[in-house]
Amino acid sequence: GAVVSQHPSWVICKSGTSVKIECRSLDFQATTMFWYRQFPKQSLMLMATSNEGSKATYEQGVEKDKFLINHASLTLSTLTVTSAHPEDSSFYICSARDPGGGETQYFGPGTRLLVL
Amino acid sequence: AQSVTQLDSQVPVFEEAPVELRCNYSSSVSVYLFWYVQYPNQGLQLLLKYLSGSTLVKGINGFEAEFNKSQTSFHLRKPSVHISDTAEYFCAVSEGMGNKLVFGAGTILRVKS
Repeated sequence: GAVVSQHPSWVICKSGTSVKIECRSLDFQATTMFWYRQFPKQSLMLMATSNEGSKATYEQGVEKDKFLINHASLTLSTLTVTSAHPEDSSFYICSARDPGGGETQYFGPGTRLLVL
Repeated sequence: AQSVTQLDSQVPVFEEAPVELRCNYSSSVSVYLFWYVQYPNQGLQLLLKYLSGSTLVKGINGFEAEFNKSQTSFHLRKPSVHISDTAEYFCAVSEGMGNKLVFGAGTILRVKS
C-alpha cells in the first residue's frame, strides 16, 4: 500500500516556541492531505484539509493562525504549531489521499508533541 | 451531516475466539466506509474499505466486514483472533468522492491468552 511518513516522530519544546511537522507521501502524489489531532484515549479529530497550491481548509474551532499549513508540493505538507503552549501537547497525525487508491486515505505514523 | 457510532469502547476476547466490532453510521447520501487499526503510539493502518460492489469486504490480517445499507452498519469481524490483534480499531465514513473522513470513537480490542 501507499506510504506516508511524518517527521519528527517525537518533539519536546518550550512554551512559546514554534514547531514544524512534515508529512510526506513517499510513493504517490497527493493533491490533498489531512491533519488530525488525537488526544489520549480519544478518536481522531480533523483539524484541516491541505490542498496543494492553495490555502488549507480549517475545521470549525481550529485557529488557522496558530496551526499554519503549507502544501508546497504534491508530496509534502507541513503543519507549524506557532507559539506552542502546553495545551497544544497532543498526537498529530497526517494522512494523504491517493488519487489512484479509490478515495483511501493513508496515514502517517504520527508526531507526539510535548510542550513544556 | 454524517456521524459514526462504535457501540463498544472495549471488547475483551480470548485468543482464537471470534470477534465482532460494531459500527453504525448515519448519512443521507451514499457513503464510503473504512476500518482502520491503530497500535500504541502509531498512526492508522487501513484494514479494509467498502466503496461499491460486493457488500462483504475482506481485508488484511484475516478481518472482514459487511456493509448493510438497511441497517446502516459496517461491522468488523474475525473468526479467530490472535494476541497480536490487540489494538484500537476505528470505523470511518466519507460522503462521496473527495470528502473528509469522519471517525467513530474507536473500540479497543483486548485479546487475552
